[in-house]
Parts: sequence; C-alpha cells; structure tokens
Amino acid sequence: AQSVTQLGSHVSVSEGALVLLRCNYSSSVPPYLFWYVQYPNQGLQLLLKYTTGATLVKGINGFEAEFKKSETSFHLTKPSAHMSDAAEYFCAVSPHQGGATNKLIFGTGTLLAVQP
Amino acid sequence: EAGVAQSPRYKIIEKRQSVAFWCNPISGHATLYWYQQILGQGPKLLIQFQNNGVVDDSQLPKDRFSAERLKGVDSTLKIQPAKLEDSAVYLCASSLNYNNEQFFGPGTRLTVL
Repeated sequence: AQSVTQLGSHVSVSEGALVLLRCNYSSSVPPYLFWYVQYPNQGLQLLLKYTTGATLVKGINGFEAEFKKSETSFHLTKPSAHMSDAAEYFCAVSPHQGGATNKLIFGTGTLLAVQP
Repeated sequence: EAGVAQSPRYKIIEKRQSVAFWCNPISGHATLYWYQQILGQGPKLLIQFQNNGVVDDSQLPKDRFSAERLKGVDSTLKIQPAKLEDSAVYLCASSLNYNNEQFFGPGTRLTVL
C-alpha cells in the first residue's frame, strides 16, 4: 500500500532563509508525487508534481522538489522564504496503477511559519 | 474560469442529525472527488465519480455516508446520522479526466456537537 510521511508537523524559518519541507513515500510501483499548499480557509493548490522524466521539478512561487528514488524522498525547497509562503503544505502520492482512478494519498501536512 | 464551488462553507449540527454538502465542479470536468480532512491530518478520499458513475468508494462509511452525482455535474454528499468524529473539512475536487490535475474547492467545515 502507498503511504506518505512528512517529517515535522511545524517548521519555522526566517524571511529570506531556505525552506526545506521533507517528504518520504512508500510505494510498490513508481509513483506520481505531488506537493500542495493550503492557505487558511482555502482549498488545496497544486505547487508541483513529478510523473516521469527529469527528477528535479520546478513549481509555482519559486518552489522546487527533487525525486530521489534511492531515498524514496520528494523534499520541497525554496531558496528564500517570503512572508506569503506561510501556509500548510501537503505531500501526496498517486499510485496510478491503471484503471479510472488516480486518487491522492496525502501526508499529514507541515505548517510553515515565516518569521520577519 | 470559475473554480470548484462548495456550499455551505460552515455547518454546525448536533450528533445524530443529518447534513448535506453540495459541490459544483469546474465546467466540463468529468471526474469529481470528495475528500475528508480531519484536523491535523491530510485529506482522505471518500469517493470518486467518473461522470455519474462511482469509481472508488472504498473509504466511504456507507452505513452513514452517501453521495450522488446527478447528470454527471453537481454532486451532494450526505451524512445521516452524524457522529462527533465526522467533524472535519469536506473538500470537493474535480479534474478534466481521471488522469488530470485535481482542482480543489474551498471546503465545507462541519462541526458536530
């Protein structure tokens, strides 16, 4: 069965500092991997996704993530944090094992706080 | 392009009462999803529709939860009767087809007292 583990339910960084949010997955088949962001009282918004091909994926708002199969990881990074990055971030995996389903299996989320 | 619409945004009920949530997906999207997001957890898929047919409802508590998608457009999710542990945000999402990006609505926050 597929699963996602996000290390650190709360992460705090200073404005301008590196953002690193960790995600490890478990999957019996090569998965599709996603990062979503959720601002207060809003739905989830896709930041970036990995399906196949280049393992370094660039997303919106300056975020990027690298798929490392050997480490079963898909960590999210941003070189310089901005106050507007404060939100909750979810890593997700989709098993895409065929058929008409691509359900997302989410981690428990990491709440990012950005200090001035 | 209009996003996924959900109503109501907030609902407070007492246990054993019934409640219904409504979702209007993005126009032309064939696939519709309902997720349950309990505080402190990630969203969990309850049910997935492809047009008006159910593709996956393996995690839907069918003794109390039901969902339908009439005419392959709008969808309603119902809980009857509600339990305290049903307190959560219920997210609706839609995608052009089952292998396309999912777009999420703002959710309905349910509190069961």
